[in-house]
Amino acid sequence: EAGVTQFPSHSVIEKGQTVTLRCDPISGHDNLYWYRRVMGKEIKFLLHFVKESKQDESGMPNNRFLAERTGGTYSTLKVQPAELEDSGVYFCASSPNNRATYEQYFGPGTRLTVT
Amino acid sequence: AQSVAQPEDQVNVAEGNPLTVKCTYSVSGNPYLFWYVQYPNRGLQFLLKYITGDNLVKGSYGFEAEFNKSQTSFHLKKPSALVSDSALYFCAVRDSTLGRLYFGRGTQLTVWP
Repeated sequence: EAGVTQFPSHSVIEKGQTVTLRCDPISGHDNLYWYRRVMGKEIKFLLHFVKESKQDESGMPNNRFLAERTGGTYSTLKVQPAELEDSGVYFCASSPNNRATYEQYFGPGTRLTVT
Repeated sequence: AQSVAQPEDQVNVAEGNPLTVKCTYSVSGNPYLFWYVQYPNRGLQFLLKYITGDNLVKGSYGFEAEFNKSQTSFHLKKPSALVSDSALYFCAVRDSTLGRLYFGRGTQLTVWP
């Protein structure tokens, strides 16, 4: 089965520009998570979708970040306008809605550089 | 509140020697603990988990981890390291109600020939 995919793999934008990251979870996985790792620090949670609904968005840093998951399939994370501190690697993960499976399956990440 | 600490930024070990990557945690409620590994230019790969049961958990690539409730630790171990084990290792704890993971800062493991 195909894993979690993310696009693009790298993005370099200037401060003030807009960037949209995309995540395609494993087919059939209801849960979709976004995380971010700023250079050298821990990976931090951003938000969690269950199907198309936001279950937990307490990790979103501010209102410049907007996440959507239309139809409960793929998800996008838009940063508008981007700031220097938004640079980092953005990971997406998915998991089935099955209490016996607690692990999350991660994509390769999108490395965002804001200059 | 949940949190994870990985006290070592780097661990260096010779091939063939045993390795340990340390992790301590703080949770309210039962701990659901995980180890992930990230190879260069790759995503995080699941290695193993502790949910309940035996304190010694076996995972992928010959890795195992020991859950120690009294010391709130979940150290990753392997009896004989390989050069190919060189990677970035993350310990994580799952929020018992919301499902989100809390990660440590990661430990860079280098196995030299």
